[in-house]
Amino acid sequence: GQQVMQIPQYQHVQEGEDFTTYCNSSTTLSNIQWYKQRPGGHPVFLIQLVKSGEVKKQKRLTFQFGEAKKNSSLHITATQTTDVGTYFCAGGNFGNEKLTFGTGTRLTIIP
Amino acid sequence: DTEVTQTPKHLVMGMTNKKSLKCEQHMGHRAMYWYKQKAKKPPELMFVYSYEKLSINESVPSRFSPECPNSSLLNLHLHALQPEDSALYLCASSQERDTHGPQHFGDGTRLSIL
Repeated sequence: GQQVMQIPQYQHVQEGEDFTTYCNSSTTLSNIQWYKQRPGGHPVFLIQLVKSGEVKKQKRLTFQFGEAKKNSSLHITATQTTDVGTYFCAGGNFGNEKLTFGTGTRLTIIP
Repeated sequence: DTEVTQTPKHLVMGMTNKKSLKCEQHMGHRAMYWYKQKAKKPPELMFVYSYEKLSINESVPSRFSPECPNSSLLNLHLHALQPEDSALYLCASSQERDTHGPQHFGDGTRLSIL
């Protein structure tokens, strides 16, 4: 079946440093979504990418979808303590209600 | 604040008990989902309902029984669970029946099986 892997599994950064998580799917995707889950919380939708090579920005967050639609990345510039949490990518396929969540990257910030 | 409401927030039950988890959304979404999440792991899909009909069952054991009484409600009936079923159970909903749209998650029910 479809597998979605993320690296790194954990990332500890000093506040103010940048952070990047990478997402790789074993199959071509129709779209990719990103979610953030705070400790003790539930996943919260951040963004969806649909087009090959698409880049979207949300303030300090930059999301990219690969040309082959099999990989994606999330980059956070100048991290803040509010960025703490686990970031999941989730891959979707046309005509299918199933999202396959990536393994997640857990971000901790050193103040 | 979440727009998907799950009750109860915490549940402790024995292996012989029967209990139900409830989920409610009033966003007019037509797809609803149950996920299971173990600590430090991603959510694992269990069931998908589209337009109140079960469309995906990810080979979930029969001790978990979903029910969708109407377009706003989703239940998960539990019976004879095992200790390894202890986890966070998340309900989610989305507007469309495919994956082109965000899923809105509830706060979850933290389930412990004694």
